[in-house]
Amino acid sequence: DQQVKQNSPSLSVQEGRISILNCDYTNSMFDYFLWYKKYPAEGPTFLISISSIKDKNEDGRFTVFLNKSAKHLSLHIVPSQPGDSAVYFCAASGGDNDMRFGAGTRLTVKP
Amino acid sequence: KAGVTQTPRYLIKTRGQQVTLSCSPISGHRSVSWYQQTPGQGLQFLFEYFSETQRNKGNFPGRFSGRQFSNSRSEMNVSTLELGDSALYLCASSLGPSTGELFFGEGSRLTVL
Repeated sequence: DQQVKQNSPSLSVQEGRISILNCDYTNSMFDYFLWYKKYPAEGPTFLISISSIKDKNEDGRFTVFLNKSAKHLSLHIVPSQPGDSAVYFCAASGGDNDMRFGAGTRLTVKP
Repeated sequence: KAGVTQTPRYLIKTRGQQVTLSCSPISGHRSVSWYQQTPGQGLQFLFEYFSETQRNKGNFPGRFSGRQFSNSRSEMNVSTLELGDSALYLCASSLGPSTGELFFGEGSRLTVL
């Protein structure tokens, strides 16, 4: 069962523009959400997180928004840079649940 | 401090064989989780260990098993390998079970011929 869904397998944006990556979840027990970034031949690395008591968390060019009622979160990257090109995974955990990941979105930032 | 270390990084097996993958977590981390990554499927949760006990198990057949040792190091084993088991197997460690950020190793890429 896919409790965390990333419906866009890929996204392409121009350098300097905004990248918006989306994620939906189904398990209402999830209360902690994370975004990971993965380059080829490397393990995923933590990017940013948000707990369910917040609706926004910002870290430099990266902002995560959480809409609990819609069970939806998004990652905004502004401005996008070519080095941001990677696969981005959305993840969620909570209750006694292990951390669940989405299928990933491959972001390509064109110079 | 050293990150999560996985061995071997690459391996090739044939159908029917078995394989054991190893993971050394970050020092002080007591929780280890295993994930399988295949194209289009993202990271599929295999199992999580904490204090040598399996806490959670994903939806994988019994051919997939694991264990954790007293020093928090973990191994996973896949028996009777199938072609569909070809994937990148990622290990992640964290301070405690199902809490906070996971720190991933670089993975073990298994190819089954």
